[in-house]
Amino acid sequence: AQSVTQLDSHVSVSEGTPVLLRCNYSSSYSPSLFWYVQHPNKGLQLLLKYTSAATLVKGINGFEAEFKKSETSFHLTKPSAHMSDAAEYFCVVSDNFGNEKLTFGTGTRLTIIP
Amino acid sequence: KAGVTQTPRYLIKTRGQQVTLSCSPISGHRSVSWYQQTPGQGLQFLFEYFSETQRNKGNFPGRFSGRQFSNSRSEMNVSTLELGDSALYLCASSDRDRSGANEQFFGPGTRLTVL
Repeated sequence: AQSVTQLDSHVSVSEGTPVLLRCNYSSSYSPSLFWYVQHPNKGLQLLLKYTSAATLVKGINGFEAEFKKSETSFHLTKPSAHMSDAAEYFCVVSDNFGNEKLTFGTGTRLTIIP
Repeated sequence: KAGVTQTPRYLIKTRGQQVTLSCSPISGHRSVSWYQQTPGQGLQFLFEYFSETQRNKGNFPGRFSGRQFSNSRSEMNVSTLELGDSALYLCASSDRDRSGANEQFFGPGTRLTVL
């Protein structure tokens, strides 16, 4: 069975400061990992994905995440927060057996303080 | 390319009724997955269809069912609605292949309210 744990339900940062959203995963197999973002009243958008290539993954809008197998972590970071980053962020895991089932974390709501 | 579309966007039903939601995937995508999003349970996988066949199913009761047509459009049906079925239902499509997990593109969702 696979699962993800998002360690913070809510994160607040000031505009221009770094963002760190934490995620730990559990998987019996070599997983694929994703970060999705959901803005209010909008659908989910993929930020980035890890599929066993480079461990440091760069995504859209300046976000990146590092896959650390020894720590079973896949934390999302951004050097400088922007007001438009305010949204709900989901860490997601999928197995690699041609299975489209995604297992979502509980989400982290990111608030940006002007 | 047009994105994933879902109809209707909003729906209000009463307990005991049934409902059908529709999803049109991105052109060329043959895999369609459905998810339920609620404040209490978060995002949960319902099922996936590929080439008109259900390939995977989540832990939902049999009242939840779906199907996929030859043009890859998909519908999900919920019978005998309960108050707890109130949720945002999200559809996602992907260009499924067998080499690993693929990016899934999500629609805007259908907001179902059961009274």
